[in-house]
Amino acid sequence: KAGVTQTPRYLIKTRGQQVTLSCSPISGHRSVSWYQQTPGQGLQFLFEYFSETQRNKGNFPGRFSGRQFSNSRSEMNVSTLELGDSALYLCASSLVQGHYEQYFGPGTRLTVT
Amino acid sequence: GESVGLHLPTLSVQEGDNSIINCAYSNSASDYFIWYKQESGKGPQFIIDIRSNMDKRQGQRVTVLLNKTVKHLSLQIAATQPGDSAVYFCAENGGRGSNYKLTFGKGTLLTVNP
Repeated sequence: KAGVTQTPRYLIKTRGQQVTLSCSPISGHRSVSWYQQTPGQGLQFLFEYFSETQRNKGNFPGRFSGRQFSNSRSEMNVSTLELGDSALYLCASSLVQGHYEQYFGPGTRLTVT
Repeated sequence: GESVGLHLPTLSVQEGDNSIINCAYSNSASDYFIWYKQESGKGPQFIIDIRSNMDKRQGQRVTVLLNKTVKHLSLQIAATQPGDSAVYFCAENGGRGSNYKLTFGKGTLLTVNP
């Protein structure tokens, strides 16, 4: 069974631009969660989607948004990029809502210059 | 505030020894705890989880212990191998009051010496 895939793997953007990251969950998984990982803050929860609806949200500004499609694939968007948005963005999927036994993708490394 | 912390940022062990990675949590409402392993350049890998109605759970070469009295979680790895070298994170779900938001610890770097 294929694991969680994320595209692109690496991305370089300029301050003020926007970016869209994509995540394809494990087949059959309906929950997709997004996380930001930085050396200073560690792993931080962004939001969770289940059945195309955002079910949970972390403490991030409104510049961070996401959506989930009917096939459970998810996208995350960050608008008006700031230098501090440079991070590894991880997506994780699970069968059910609530982070239970979730599996992570390899992440997208975003660098904002 | 709510936090999940690790007692030791680094742990070095000899191959074949048992490893114990500790984690303190502060949200007594958390009812689900998870351990992840993250190797360099990869996403976190699910190792084992435990619900708050249990105090011990065993997997393959790993055991998680939960002590709710002192809000402490530990991961024991038996017969540690070089392939176990990685950063290990504990996480808690915060319980219903936080709408089950997952909070991660900062991580412990485990180094296994051959």
